[in-house]
Amino acid sequence: DAKTTQPPSMDCAEGRAANLPCNHSTISGNEYVYWYRQIHSQGPQYIIHGLKNNETNEMASLIITEDRKSSTLILPHATLRDTAVYYCIVRVVPGGYGGSQGNLIFGKGTKLSVKP
Amino acid sequence: EAQVTQNPRYLITVTGKKLTVTCSQNMNHEYMSWYRQDPGLGLRQIYYSMNVEVTDKGDVPEGYKVSRKEKRNFPLILESPSPNQTSLYFCASSQTGLSYEQYFGPGTRLTVT
Repeated sequence: DAKTTQPPSMDCAEGRAANLPCNHSTISGNEYVYWYRQIHSQGPQYIIHGLKNNETNEMASLIITEDRKSSTLILPHATLRDTAVYYCIVRVVPGGYGGSQGNLIFGKGTKLSVKP
Repeated sequence: EAQVTQNPRYLITVTGKKLTVTCSQNMNHEYMSWYRQDPGLGLRQIYYSMNVEVTDKGDVPEGYKVSRKEKRNFPLILESPSPNQTSLYFCASSQTGLSYEQYFGPGTRLTVT
């Protein structure tokens, strides 16, 4: 799986958009970008994933650059409950039965602090 | 409610005393796995299971055993715990190993003295 690089920490004002960047310059054509978050020692939580088109769900939006070497997770209206460590993960295409490819490689992530 | 449960949530034990951490999911998922999380090292996979009676080692399997006799349950067994197994443990499940979403349990904080 391709390696990812994220800033170690970011701050965001409550109610504002939080934009979390991720670099994955060695991503290959069959790898998706996934985002998970972990709220203070709770189990990680899936947020969103994408291949090359921008994606949006009820939690967030994912913007992937045209060359797919970087992406940005956007939380449109951050709340205090969004304070967490956000992980950008690159892994192969969903489908099939996986096996060792089911191993999510969590890096250090970005610690997002949403402030009142 | 779809969920992964773990028990116990907190455990303090002594070196060498066998223990089992249970994990159960109610989503009929085929794939289950165990991770440990340590400061500075992130989450690392211990063992995984692709289905009943099918298990394999992850990145850090030494000192651990698992079994998958039923689809919903995937217990983690420490037969002779040591202090270096003090950690935060998470169980996860997904439909298959390559499903886009994995569901994590709430975690078990284990301290071995």
